[in-house]
Formats: sequence, structure tokens, C-alpha cells
Amino acid sequence: GENVEQHPSTLSVQEGDSAVIKCTYSDSASNYFPWYKQELGKRPQLIIDIRSNVGEKKDQRIAVTLNKTAKHFSLHITETQPEDSAVYFCAASILRTALIFGKGTTLSVSS
Amino acid sequence: DGGITQSPKYLFRKEGQNVTLSCEQNLNHDAMYWYRQDPGQGLRLIYYSQIVNDFQKGDIAEGYSVSREKKESFPLTVTSAQKNPTAFYLCASTLSEGSSPLHFGNGTRLTVT
Repeated sequence: GENVEQHPSTLSVQEGDSAVIKCTYSDSASNYFPWYKQELGKRPQLIIDIRSNVGEKKDQRIAVTLNKTAKHFSLHITETQPEDSAVYFCAASILRTALIFGKGTTLSVSS
Repeated sequence: DGGITQSPKYLFRKEGQNVTLSCEQNLNHDAMYWYRQDPGQGLRLIYYSQIVNDFQKGDIAEGYSVSREKKESFPLTVTSAQKNPTAFYLCASTLSEGSSPLHFGNGTRLTVT
């Protein structure tokens, strides 16, 4: 089955810096790659997703890139703010199966 | 107001007892999922169901059971065979399986002593 590796497990940045979180997946048939943000005590919330027919997608300060050949995808957050502090999860899925998640990255943005 | 409702928010049980976690959705979603969250482990898939009366095991199904008798409901039973049941359990749903965003419930924190 699918396996998703996520790095780093923790990331500390200064306010205004960029943050990058990377994930690799094992099954080349995976075609959907979402990113979720989970604040302390709350449920995960989708922040951005990308499908296998797209190489990059942006939404304001957040972008995701996908390299199908290397089987990895990354989340980029620019101009980080304290409210970006949370746990971020990447995930991957194959059509007609369930999402498999990485272990998460705890992002801390200090002002 | 559409969404996924998990109840209760906190659940306490004695070791050896079975316990059932409730998950109800009014989003008219076809697929429903159960994930377990432990610190540093991410979200691990327990079971999922793409259609009523059908479900598939996830990566950590041992010690758990589910049913999908209605489209809106996907209860999870944590049996006494589950060796480490204390965890945060998240239910989710999607309009169609696989390549669709998950909508999560608020979770149930189960403590077994």
C-alpha cells in the first residue's frame, strides 16, 4: 500500500521567513495530494491540494509543488505569521482508496 | 448547518470493555473514514467505507470493528482486543472516495485505564 514520509518533524522560523515542508510517497499510482493544518485541540483543515496532472498550485502565501518523477511534493509558506504555527500534514491517495497521511510537521513561527 | 458530528468529545473506559464511538454526517457524502491520531504518529487509517454495507480495513484495523448500515452513520467499536486504545479518534467523510478533500469531525478522545 501507499506510504508517505514527511520531513522535517519540527520547523522553527522567524516571522516573515519562508517555511518548506517536504513529503515523499511510494505508490506511483497516487493522484491526489492534499495538505492539512491542525491547530492545537482542533480538527485538521484542508489548506491546499494538488492533483497529479498539475505541477504547482498557489493560494496567496501558500504553494504546493509536485514532482511525479521523483514522487515527492512540497508545501511552501511565504511571509510566515505567528498564526501559521500549527501541525501540518501531507497526504496521498490513489483513486478509490483512502488518504494516507505523513506523520506531521510542527511549525513554530516566532515574532 | 451541514457537517460531521462525533460524540462524545471525551470517553473514559476500563480496560477489557468494548466501546463504540459515534460518527454522523449530514453532508450526503458517500465515503466515510476513521483515523487514529497519536503524538508524533500522524493520522493512521483504521477503516473506511465507500458505500453502505461495505467497508475496507486500513493500516491498523486490528482490535477495531465498524458498520455502515446507513449512509449517514459510521460507528467505530474499539474492542478489548485493541492493545493500546487510548488515543484521539477522528471521523471524516468525502463526497467520493480517494481524490476528494476530507471533511473531519471534531474527534473523540478515548482514555482506557
